[in-house]
Order: sequence, then C-alpha cells, then structure tokens
Amino acid sequence: DIQMTQSPSTLSASVGDRVTITCRASQSISSWLAWYQQKPGKAPKLLIYKASSLESGVPSRFSGSGSGTEFTLTISSLQPDDFATYYCQQYNSYRWTFGQGTKVEIK
Amino acid sequence: QVQLVQSGAEVKKPGSSVKVSCKASGGTFSSYTISWVRQAPGQGLEWMGRIIPILGIANYAQKFQGRVTITADKSTSTAYMELSSLRSEDTAVYYCARENAPTPLDYWGQGTLVTVSS
Repeated sequence: DIQMTQSPSTLSASVGDRVTITCRASQSISSWLAWYQQKPGKAPKLLIYKASSLESGVPSRFSGSGSGTEFTLTISSLQPDDFATYYCQQYNSYRWTFGQGTKVEIK
Repeated sequence: QVQLVQSGAEVKKPGSSVKVSCKASGGTFSSYTISWVRQAPGQGLEWMGRIIPILGIANYAQKFQGRVTITADKSTSTAYMELSSLRSEDTAVYYCARENAPTPLDYWGQGTLVTVSS
C-alpha cells in the first residue's frame, strides 16, 4: 500500500498565522490527494480534493498544492475555528490510505 | 442533501463479529461508492475498504483482507461493514463515507462506536 507521511505531527500557532502542513507519498499519486479537517468527536470534513480543488463551502483561506509525491495544505490566516487535526489521503491506488494526522494547537 | 445514518453503538466479545449499517438518503445510491473508515481512540483515520453498489464490487485494505466484508443493498440504499474475529484493538469508531468522483469522501456518517471487551 502507498504510505502517506505528514509533517509536522503537531503544530502550535496563533490566530492570524500562516500555517503549512506537508504530506509525502511513498510513490507518485499524481494529483489524487485530499485534505480533511477533524474536530474532537466529529466526523472528518473534506477541505481539498485533487490536490488543489477547494470543496464547496470551504473558506478560501484554505489552499492545497503539489503533485506526484509532495503536497501542502496552507491556511493563509489561521482562525479560531481552524484549531483541529488535519489528515491527507491518497485515492490514486486501488487501496486508499491516510496520513497520520497533524494537530494544529493554539500557541 | 445527502445523509448517511449509521446504526448504533455495539459491544462485542473477542472472537465475535460485528455488522454496522449505513443508510443513505438524498442523491442516487447507485451512482457513488461507499467507503468505511475507522478511528481507534486517540488515533488517526484508517481506510478499511469500499464498495461500488451498482456493481456490488468491493475492495479492501490489505490489513483487513479476509476479516472484513462490505456489502450494499440497492433496494434500501444501505451499505454494510462486517468485521469478524474481533480483538480489543478493533475498538474504534467506524465511519461510512460517500465518494462521488472526482471528489473523494465528501459526506460522512455520524460514526458507530464498536467496543470489543471480554
């Protein structure tokens, strides 16, 4: 199976900060990468698909980039509602996999 | 508006099986796929497998191959995930989620807690 590695595992930031999370695939997945946000006790929420397409209703401060094996999720100006855990997920192969998650905490 | 409603929490003995349901409303059930994702307490998301209801074809993560069965009933717009030979490490919240290509998992069920304990 394709392995997805996120960094960092935890990120401390303040409201208004620009935040970047990286996701690396163990082999090329073209642009078949999604990003999800999850808050405690809730189901994940799709933010970005096909590496850079913003899901309907998601604020424009979220953006995604990359292709092949290296991807990033950027939050241009962190808002109080953005403190959560973020996961990348590849859906290129027959078997899908998630990254281990990045927790964005209040600094 | 698509809604996925899952069955309620379960408590199971080690070695037994559990079957979780996921009933879809809104949209056309046969036009999308359903995945199952689990999350152990304090851990990350783990994709288990998916089914294409219109074809009845499922594929599974290697880790669960032979222990998980995903099925779908088009007549009731319901997908099922059955996990057998349960062990304590299978204690988790199990989610179903819809894929509507090209978007991956855009709608999620509320989650079903499965507790495996003797």
